[in-house]
Amino acid sequence: DTGVSQNPRHKITKRGQNVTFRCDPISEHNRLYWYRQTLGQGPEFLTYFQNEAQLEKSRLLSDRFSAERPKGSFSTLEIQRTEQGDSAMYLCASSLMARGRISPEAFFGQGTRLTVV
Amino acid sequence: QKEVEQDPGPLSVPEGAIVSLNCTYSNSAFQYFMWYRQYSRKGPELLMYTYSSGNKEDGRFTAQVDKSSKYISLFIRDSQPSDSATYLCAMSGIGGFKTIFGAGTRLFVKA
Repeated sequence: DTGVSQNPRHKITKRGQNVTFRCDPISEHNRLYWYRQTLGQGPEFLTYFQNEAQLEKSRLLSDRFSAERPKGSFSTLEIQRTEQGDSAMYLCASSLMARGRISPEAFFGQGTRLTVV
Repeated sequence: QKEVEQDPGPLSVPEGAIVSLNCTYSNSAFQYFMWYRQYSRKGPELLMYTYSSGNKEDGRFTAQVDKSSKYISLFIRDSQPSDSATYLCAMSGIGGFKTIFGAGTRLFVKA
């Protein structure tokens, strides 16, 4: 499967614990995005990377959230001291942005569903 | 007020019907207008996108953008039960990196 891969698919954690999610984008894609989606809502932008550089973070991304993309390949999203309000689907997407190629098309992974109890 | 407004439905139609899905938006900087389809417990998949105003057709799907009214539509002709899903409108500026999604409309097509 050459699509966007996210692991784990499901995570149940106790409030106050730290969790880390991984995203493997489509191999030639240089942009990687993280979104959060709650029930009945569309995905909300959290952050994005161009190669290894994190270029924008949403105000939704509190200090407890950190994302990395070392070497511009896979990315991790860590949530520290989880709260019940963090329960959501965390979606990763990737896209290819190149000079002369203008397209907003992003490919999404299946998501990681986080439940904080 | 949200930047993108979309009626969450649900919308239930019989097989073969023409479906009309709509969104309104407030940010004039949006240049790309997209429609994603999301099945239950799956990630969204891009159906089609339009740059600036105009229409675009792809098989049974037609997307329309009216920037003067800040209104976009997706029409599905000859709807099928397999079209049952949540349809998300989405928009971004010229850089295309920060996409704002609507809440999604749940569509049920009954056989």
